Amino acid sequence: DAGITQSPRHKVTETGTPVTLRCHQTENHRYMYWYRQDPGHGLRLIHYSYGVKDTDKGEVSDGYSVSRSKTEDFLLTLESATSSQTSVYFCAISAEENAPGYEQYFGPGTRLTVT
Amino acid sequence: AQSVTQLGSHVSVSEGALVLLRCNYSSSVPPYLFWYVQYPNQGLQLLLKYTTGATLVKGINGFEAEFKKSETSFHLTKPSAHMSDAAEYFCAVSGADDMRFGAGTRLTVKP
Repeated sequence: DAGITQSPRHKVTETGTPVTLRCHQTENHRYMYWYRQDPGHGLRLIHYSYGVKDTDKGEVSDGYSVSRSKTEDFLLTLESATSSQTSVYFCAISAEENAPGYEQYFGPGTRLTVT
Repeated sequence: AQSVTQLGSHVSVSEGALVLLRCNYSSSVPPYLFWYVQYPNQGLQLLLKYTTGATLVKGINGFEAEFKKSETSFHLTKPSAHMSDAAEYFCAVSGADDMRFGAGTRLTVKP
């Protein structure tokens, strides 16, 4: 299994509070991704990173920011959580840097509930 | 941008029966196609992938998928379902843009 951990695994927070989710990898892969998973939508890309301090927006980036100060860590921040951000969040890393047909390996997920 | 459509959000089969999960894709460039499986409270695991070459791809746990360009399909099959196959399955496509996932198909296996 790819060495990917996510913390926390579960979090309940109130509307309007800031929340930071952490993804840590031990594979030294260049690419890291944050997805959210919602019923009927599959996984949707929030942000991704192609190197330290290099990030870009995905399909559903509004309300989220990311940072990557080290190769192994990729942080997702909800500046002011809303109920629509209640979801399961997955971090992923890519197995082959920028190569065709790369697959992604996923962490165990973080279940976030915004009340 | 590419996209995938998974036909059927729920599929139920009996143990020992054929499993067929359907996936159709749309892509403006030659696609790379994937099937992932998700067990309860876990992340996604790669079952198999198609990049180039042989159109019949074999994966883990006895699953296979066939890339049919003329039908823009990448259906997942397994000849004989096992109770342990009960999970959610996601088809995904990558190519010109980010990897895009289908909405998922939940497979139930009845004893």
